[in-house]
Amino acid sequence: ELKVEQNPLFLSMQEGKNYTIYCNYSTTSDRLYWYRQDPGKSLESLFVLLSNGAVKQEGRLMASLDTKARLSTLHITAAVHDLSATYFCAVVPNNYGQNFVFGPGTRLSVLP
Amino acid sequence: ETGVTQTPRHLVMGMTNKKSLKCEQHLGHNAMYWYKQSAKKPLELMFVYNFKEQTENNSVPSRFSPECPNSSHLFLHLHTLQPEDSALYLCASSQDLGNADQYFGPGTRLLVL
Repeated sequence: ELKVEQNPLFLSMQEGKNYTIYCNYSTTSDRLYWYRQDPGKSLESLFVLLSNGAVKQEGRLMASLDTKARLSTLHITAAVHDLSATYFCAVVPNNYGQNFVFGPGTRLSVLP
Repeated sequence: ETGVTQTPRHLVMGMTNKKSLKCEQHLGHNAMYWYKQSAKKPLELMFVYNFKEQTENNSVPSRFSPECPNSSHLFLHLHTLQPEDSALYLCASSQDLGNADQYFGPGTRLLVL
């Protein structure tokens, strides 16, 4: 059974701190996406990672992909309150048609 | 400003009602999707359309009936729903299947009484 897991599911952190969110998946995939969702809002695309070793950075967020370990990380540097949201990873498995499989999401709260 | 719009944004319906959700994308994409987001489950893919043809139906109950008249419009027809169908229904589109980023609409918050 295909599984996409995220760790942690809930994260409360202080402003200025660093932290990493992990996304593990159970099948081979060369494509992984990160999305952000604010409460009551839709999903906003953050990063698209399309190869092993891919690293993308935008502001205080940096995402990486290790296809051999079936692991992606989303690293938060010097968190600010505006980063409070739920973060989802989504995988397109190599042998599962062309559809996204989403993780359960990590709800991040950045406290002042 | 999203290129994917959904109406209505909020909907309350009884179990015997019939209603429809509408999604429109202004991005020139070829693929469109319906997702269900419940409080206690990961985002669930319901239906996929590519060039107006349905390519995926993830074991969705027949009380949900999709319709895709063209590549820009997607509907989800609802009838005799159950309270457990209450959720946020998200529409998304992408240039092509799988290998392209998906753009999400704002969602329809549905409450079934």
